[in-house]
Amino acid sequence: GAVVSQHPSRVICKSGTSVKIECRSLDFQATTMFWYRQFPKQSLMLMATSNEGSKATYEQGVEKDKFLINHASLTLSTLTVTSAHPEDSSFYICSAPRTGFSRTEAFFGQGTRLTVV
Amino acid sequence: AQKVTQAQTEISVVEKEDVTLDCVYETRDTTYYLFWYKQPPSGELVFLIRRNSFDEQNEISGRYSWNFQKSTSSFNFTITASQVVDSAVYFCALSEGTSGTYKYIFGTGTRLKVLA
Repeated sequence: GAVVSQHPSRVICKSGTSVKIECRSLDFQATTMFWYRQFPKQSLMLMATSNEGSKATYEQGVEKDKFLINHASLTLSTLTVTSAHPEDSSFYICSAPRTGFSRTEAFFGQGTRLTVV
Repeated sequence: AQKVTQAQTEISVVEKEDVTLDCVYETRDTTYYLFWYKQPPSGELVFLIRRNSFDEQNEISGRYSWNFQKSTSSFNFTITASQVVDSAVYFCALSEGTSGTYKYIFGTGTRLKVLA
């Protein structure tokens, strides 16, 4: 079953409103999570690294005031798209690394398809 | 700089044909990880394989096989006897570092269409 849960899977919002997307690690703690964005028929691009207990690290070109990231606990990171506009319509997906017996691997959430109308 | 190139934007094959998806990567690290993911229309990423830079053994899993060649910085993926259910976008990805930062650099993806 899924080890990283993302909610909601789909959301439609009006232009100018804010939308919050949650990413939860289900049976492990993640001090770091990653947020990616995928425009239609394009690749996944890393937006930011979410750090528990400290500020997120944003990739070049990503507006930190527009995409607010809060790593509220060791199992939850949230991405808030503020004052959303149609150009923010995209597929957002998070990932969290989990350390196992012999290795660490990253698990991806199911993704959130955001449509801004 | 790190980079992953998937030169094939879209491939169409007829069912039961074999198909190879190409992936070429660039990295300065000696320790890195390579991945292949499948993305069906629903959008979720389905993990297919992970390879570390020290393991050049080719791998076969059912109809899937992977050819990792450090000399050419390539990590190609072959589907044998393709099926309609294989239709999806396939991404190759790179992650660097001994600690495995797990920040993935994705290629642009290859859309595979398997026709009945």
